[in-house]
Amino acid sequence: EPEVTQTPSHQVTQMGQEVILRCVPISNHLYFYWYRQILGQKVEFLVSFYNNEISEKSEIFDDQFSVERPDGSNFTLKIRSTKLEDSAMYFCASSRTSGRSYEQYFGPGTRLTVT
Amino acid sequence: AQTVTQSQPEMSVQEAETVTLSCTYDTSENNYYLFWYKQPPSRQMILVIRQEAYKQQNATENRFSVNFQKAAKSFSLKISDSQLGDTAMYFCAFYLSNDYKLSFGAGTTVTVRA
Repeated sequence: EPEVTQTPSHQVTQMGQEVILRCVPISNHLYFYWYRQILGQKVEFLVSFYNNEISEKSEIFDDQFSVERPDGSNFTLKIRSTKLEDSAMYFCASSRTSGRSYEQYFGPGTRLTVT
Repeated sequence: AQTVTQSQPEMSVQEAETVTLSCTYDTSENNYYLFWYKQPPSRQMILVIRQEAYKQQNATENRFSVNFQKAAKSFSLKISDSQLGDTAMYFCAFYLSNDYKLSFGAGTTVTVRA
């Protein structure tokens, strides 16, 4: 069964550094999402992406964040200058355009640790 | 903004028994979808069950079933014949059509005891 994949599984970075989290959505999906989960807290929406542009973003998704679909398969989240409070699990998700397009399938997550 | 409330931080259940997790939500919209996601210790988010708001019939997926009360804005999850592999955090989530995002509750940790 097709699945969303994410790399790396764990990323450790120093405060102020740039990080890029990578995702490969399910191949026939055209809506893409990033969510984050700070340890012990609920999952929070960051951004949705469709047709090479952002559909919606939350207040968390400020100028430090950006998303890109650089080719036909990858979907990336960049944090320009990481802060300690960016430490979290970051989940990528994707959904179809038709049928059950409301169903979002999640990747295994990338654990980001900012020191 | 839609809010999702899960009032039970933790639940414990004996293996083979039944446990019910509560979820309420707040919306003035009529066309939406509700989900339960399971997050085991690996922290992968796994879709357990879905419910379309326009459907009156409660969704069922094997041992998992929901009790959807639209007027009360309630969406509980029942796990029957609990298994040790059901031990996980369970999140209730709300999706408004054309809103492009899931809104999650705070989660309920379920522990199945042998």
